[in-house]
Amino acid sequence: EVQLVESGGGLVQPGGSLRLSCAASGFTFSSFNILWVRQAPGKGLVWVSRIDSDGSSTYYADSVKGRFTISRDNAKNTMYLQMNSLRAEDTAMYYCIRGGFDIWGQGTMVTVSS
Amino acid sequence: DVVMTQSPLSLPVTLGQPASISCRSSQSLVSGDGNTYLNWFQQRPGQSPRRLIYRVSNRDSGVPDRFSGSGSGTDFTLKISRVEAEDVGIYYCMQGTHWPPWTFGQGTKVEIK
Repeated sequence: EVQLVESGGGLVQPGGSLRLSCAASGFTFSSFNILWVRQAPGKGLVWVSRIDSDGSSTYYADSVKGRFTISRDNAKNTMYLQMNSLRAEDTAMYYCIRGGFDIWGQGTMVTVSS
Repeated sequence: DVVMTQSPLSLPVTLGQPASISCRSSQSLVSGDGNTYLNWFQQRPGQSPRRLIYRVSNRDSGVPDRFSGSGSGTDFTLKISRVEAEDVGIYYCMQGTHWPPWTFGQGTKVEIK
């Protein structure tokens, strides 16, 4: 079964850090770009970041540029989102998505609050 | 950035009746390769979004044929020919032509009257 499974979410204080992981299975992970999209409670979908299949290029939304870093380990079929200097407005469900937006994970919730 | 505007934002529908959602982009979504990268997603309550339609009018595997997508340039439509109870949720359009960023519409909430 083609699957993406996120983990690493939780409660963190403002200014803190968190690392999200996205584990892939059922497809050739190294052949696909992977993206993160987030959804604040009761709000719409917002693209956050993308990494190319070989990790050579990365892209970030202006709202997270300089604070978030996307990376991947194709040998482990896993992608990561390192989130630093977290703010209350980063509170959201974070979804890992296969390039093309055809496969979505179940999401991992990040809450930034004191 | 390309702005995606959906209407209506709320759509009460009677079971068995048709429904239509409009999505407009702030610039043409025709790519240099000739394709138009406009997707539609469905998000049922408590679930992750799933892609229904890609490149304007192509249904994903497993998507009922009561869902159809159409449009061109800057104007696009998602139609449900006969709404069923399982269609309740929020529907989003998204453009993948002018990136980054990939941008979504605000979402249209479909509910049963």
